[in-house]
Amino acid sequence: QKEVEQDPGPLSVPEGAIVSLNCTYSNSAFQYFMWYRQYSRKGPELLMYTYSSGNKEDGRFTAQVDKSSKYISLFIRDSQPSDSATYLCAMNENTGGFKTIFGAGTRLFVKA
Amino acid sequence: GAVVSQHPSRVICKSGTSVKIECRSLDFQATTMFWYRQFPKKSLMLMATSNEGSKATYEQGVEKDKFLINHASLTLSTLTVTSAHPEDSSFYICSASYRNNEQFFGPGTRLTVL
Repeated sequence: QKEVEQDPGPLSVPEGAIVSLNCTYSNSAFQYFMWYRQYSRKGPELLMYTYSSGNKEDGRFTAQVDKSSKYISLFIRDSQPSDSATYLCAMNENTGGFKTIFGAGTRLFVKA
Repeated sequence: GAVVSQHPSRVICKSGTSVKIECRSLDFQATTMFWYRQFPKKSLMLMATSNEGSKATYEQGVEKDKFLINHASLTLSTLTVTSAHPEDSSFYICSASYRNNEQFFGPGTRLTVL
């Protein structure tokens, strides 16, 4: 079993839809959870960053962490064609010599 | 803030030559820099972690003599692919961190070995 599981998609939605992206993980020691957006042939860009369980909202983006279920989500409201990209979840334990584990990434297409 | 640059953005070289890729943190001092490799439609594969002034820590299966990493300052790390072969063709991405959890990525370097 991989430490982090993420459906690679592709996920195709119409413009304006609410998008739900998810990751599950197996390591209960993970404390920091991140979502990155990567456009084709570009480096990943940090979108959201949360610590432990709970929700965090930033504009059209909401990140949720459910540590009891080992499940994290990223919601995108009012999706736009410019949101079309690959979204990678990432997490780490924040111990000395921390190592961030990335999901495989979900490819999202938002159709105009 | 937290901008990371990479140079070159794209390089084509002949088999057997060496290629150096630079990674710079432009507006912060990076305590740690990471080098990743990414194949098409695949996630990031961590190659090595480097801290300024010390030897890089390589992931299992990554040849340290082939992928030389130098982290000479808090704002610069270099990856040299030595004696490159076509199978080394890939997208190489660096990231930099100044606190334990967030990594800021460079734009990536596409290496093509002929």
